[in-house]
Amino acid sequence: QSVLTQPPSVSAAPGQKVTISCSGSSSNIGNNYVSWYQQLPGTAPKLLIYDNNKRPSGIPDRFSGSKSGTSATLGITGLQTGDEADYYCGTSSWVFGGGTKLTVL
Amino acid sequence: EVQLVESGGGLVKPGGSLRLSCAASGFTFSSYSMNWVRQAPGKGLEWVSSISSSSSYIYYADSVKGRFTISRDNAKNSLYLQMNSLRAEDTAVYYCATALEVSSAVDVWGQGTTVTVSS
Repeated sequence: QSVLTQPPSVSAAPGQKVTISCSGSSSNIGNNYVSWYQQLPGTAPKLLIYDNNKRPSGIPDRFSGSKSGTSATLGITGLQTGDEADYYCGTSSWVFGGGTKLTVL
Repeated sequence: EVQLVESGGGLVKPGGSLRLSCAASGFTFSSYSMNWVRQAPGKGLEWVSSISSSSSYIYYADSVKGRFTISRDNAKNSLYLQMNSLRAEDTAVYYCATALEVSSAVDVWGQGTTVTVSS
């Protein structure tokens, strides 16, 4: 049972936009920075978003993050088949979500 | 090139021990805190332990406290995780990870090493 709650799966068509939610509490999301990771099958996680809404160098602006209160959201626009992966939210207090599997139909 | 390479995983019986290693290269290892994060089969990420750059501060998840010991050797650019009294629920891929360019998240991960606890 993960501390942060994510939907198990989301799906959308190529070119469309999708959002992934992450719900927590005041002890984690509410008072800490949120980050998002992409994990392709059989590989290590890769940082997509940090400090709620910042992108590391090399991450395209198709990926965006936001936070409000005790929830956060990852947005992905212009979906590509290569975006099919598991996505995890996390906080600077070292808790993570259970992951969301993105399917690009 | 920044790189973290884990080793030491394998199959171990319940109650047994295992020592994981992580070799770091491409950055000044002695300047950064290091972490272990694990992922059970088909499950999410779980933070295991953290150690500060000079080993002054060490933290553990409640699930491993008293059984696991994190350590580092800055002269050898290496991070370790000694795992004792292993349980089936410790079965996971163990990642060595650190934050180089950002302070609030992990931006460098190793490829992981698999630990299986089974009789």
